[in-house]
Amino acid sequence: AQSVTQPDIHITVSEGASLELRCNYSYGATPYLFWYVQSPGQGLQLLLKYFSGDTLVQGIKGFEAEFKRSQSSFNLRKPSVHWSDAAEYFCAVGAGNTPLVFGKGTRLSVIA
Amino acid sequence: DGGITQSPKYLFRKEGQNVTLSCEQNLNHDAMYWYRQDPGQGLRLIYYSQIVNDFQKGDIAEGYSVSREKKESFPLTVTSAQKNPTAFYLCASSIMGQGDNQPQHFGDGTRLSIL
Repeated sequence: AQSVTQPDIHITVSEGASLELRCNYSYGATPYLFWYVQSPGQGLQLLLKYFSGDTLVQGIKGFEAEFKRSQSSFNLRKPSVHWSDAAEYFCAVGAGNTPLVFGKGTRLSVIA
Repeated sequence: DGGITQSPKYLFRKEGQNVTLSCEQNLNHDAMYWYRQDPGQGLRLIYYSQIVNDFQKGDIAEGYSVSREKKESFPLTVTSAQKNPTAFYLCASSIMGQGDNQPQHFGDGTRLSIL
């Protein structure tokens, strides 16, 4: 069965600092991988997705993620965080036409 | 603009009462999903449907029911059998690819509370 682990429940970074959110997945074949962002009281917005090909994926809002098969990871990065990036971030994995499996999320706080 | 509309945004349930959450999409997506979100729990799948008049149980289907009479609509009923219904409920939809797992698009959610 597929599973997703986001090891960090809560991360605090300073505005302008770099960010890396960790995501590890468990799946036998090459998975489809996604990162979503959720602002309080809102739905989830897709940041980026990996299906195949180039392992470094660019997304919206200046985010990128790198797929590392050897480490079963799909970490999300941003070189310089803005206060508006404060939100909850979810990693998800999918396979074929089955529903996505989501991690439990990482809450990002941004301080001045 | 195309999207997913969930209503109401806030809903209150009395003891022993069934309540229905609405989810409508105009994206022409085949698949629709219901998730429950509790603090620190992430998203847990309640039910999903990949074609009209068919649906599958997710991980936490007990105490919930759904219908899919139209492609655009996937209402969720929280029955009195669900003893802890207080949560944020999210509806999503996606295209059914040919073996590909397509991104899910989400509504803005319904927050359900017990009176």
